[in-house]
Parts: sequence; structure tokens; C-alpha cells
Amino acid sequence: SSELTQDPAVSVALGQTVRITCQGDSLRSYYASWYQQKPGQAPVLVIYGKNNRPSGIPDRFSGSSSGNTASLTITGAQAEDEADYYCNSRDSSGNHLGVFGGGTKLTVL
Amino acid sequence: QVQLQESGPGLVKPSQTLSLTCTVSGGSISSGSYYWSWIRQPAGKGLEWIGRIYTSGSTNYNPSLKSRVTISVDTSKNQFSLKLSSVTAADTAVYYCARGFTSGIAVAYFDYWGQGTLVTVSS
Repeated sequence: SSELTQDPAVSVALGQTVRITCQGDSLRSYYASWYQQKPGQAPVLVIYGKNNRPSGIPDRFSGSSSGNTASLTITGAQAEDEADYYCNSRDSSGNHLGVFGGGTKLTVL
Repeated sequence: QVQLQESGPGLVKPSQTLSLTCTVSGGSISSGSYYWSWIRQPAGKGLEWIGRIYTSGSTNYNPSLKSRVTISVDTSKNQFSLKLSSVTAADTAVYYCARGFTSGIAVAYFDYWGQGTLVTVSS
């Protein structure tokens, strides 16, 4: 079982705002990074650190964190945002090992 | 632009050792404060971190795989490799290599990924 918990599926109407969450004890100490994965493709980094976007990632993607929960928010979701989203952080044991959440399937209606 | 490319056999027999190599291009594997990781994904399932290596040779492995995993680096070839021993059907997955970066203690992420390679364990 994963030390990071995500809702399996979330849906959003086109143009609306959606929040995808990731819960885990390690998030009280470490930031999550977020990855978008479309079918048949490798994951792509969309958010890292407090709220940083790599070059080329639209500014409708943002990140936040509170307590043991990290969130990825898409403001004005587009059809091309339909994908699986994974959070990643270190493990709660302090061994700095990588842990992924189970993933959230985002459907844009 | 950094690029990563996985290579290796697509079919491995049960009980044998899975061996994959990741070739890094567009930059030196030794430059910067990066680490190099392997991540896998069974069909229809989520991502699983396998382990990582720094170019110093320091490694960390997923505890669930630690007894079977070895990650090594060859800086002269700009490559790093994965060996997973005693494989079973449960090890069938797409295997990705990725570059990781750590900023301080609180921030870590994978900024470049290979396209992935499917490894099937079957007799």
C-alpha cells in the first residue's frame, strides 16, 4: 500500500476548476511533486516544490500544501488535461525514499 | 535538452535477472546535483519507485525490492543500469528511467523521464 493517498477518480466540467489531493504523513515535512500521465506516454512533471511549474506547463496548474495534504489545482480545465495525475514525495521514515500516490484519473466533461 | 532512453530485453524468463540500461544524452550524467532513478508501472496500475543512484555511487532502494535490485552507473558511457533478480510475472511492467533533483531537504522531483520500455516476464 502507498504511503500517499489519492482519490482514484475525479471529474470536472470543461472550463471549471478542479482540485486533486494527496495525503500522507511525509507531506508535513516534504513537498509533493505532481506528474501528469496520458495513455501510452511517460509521466510529465507539472508542479514541484511550494508551487513551481516547469517551463512549458500552463499557468492554470498550481500547487499548494497544508498539514498532511498536498493539492494540485487546475483552474479552467481543458480537454487536454484529461489524464492520470500522480503525486510523489519522500517516505515518512526519513530515509528519503521515493513514494508515489496511487494516482487520480481526471475526466474532463 | 536532456534525453533519457531505456534499452534492454523485452522478454525475461521467470527466475532470471532483468537488466536494463538508461542512456543519458544532452548533458553529462555527472553534472549538477542530480540523481538517477528507475520507476516502473504494471499495465493499468500506478507508478512504483524502484531506486536511485548518485554519480558518487550512493544508492537507495525501495524496501520491497531491495533484496533483488542493483542500480549502477557508468559515467564514462553516460549510462546507468538496473538489475532485478529472480523475476516473476509480477515484475512485468513498463520500466522508466528518470532524472531526479533535490533542492534542500524538502524539495525533490523527477524532471526528465525516458519513454519507458515494456518488460514481460514469461517462459
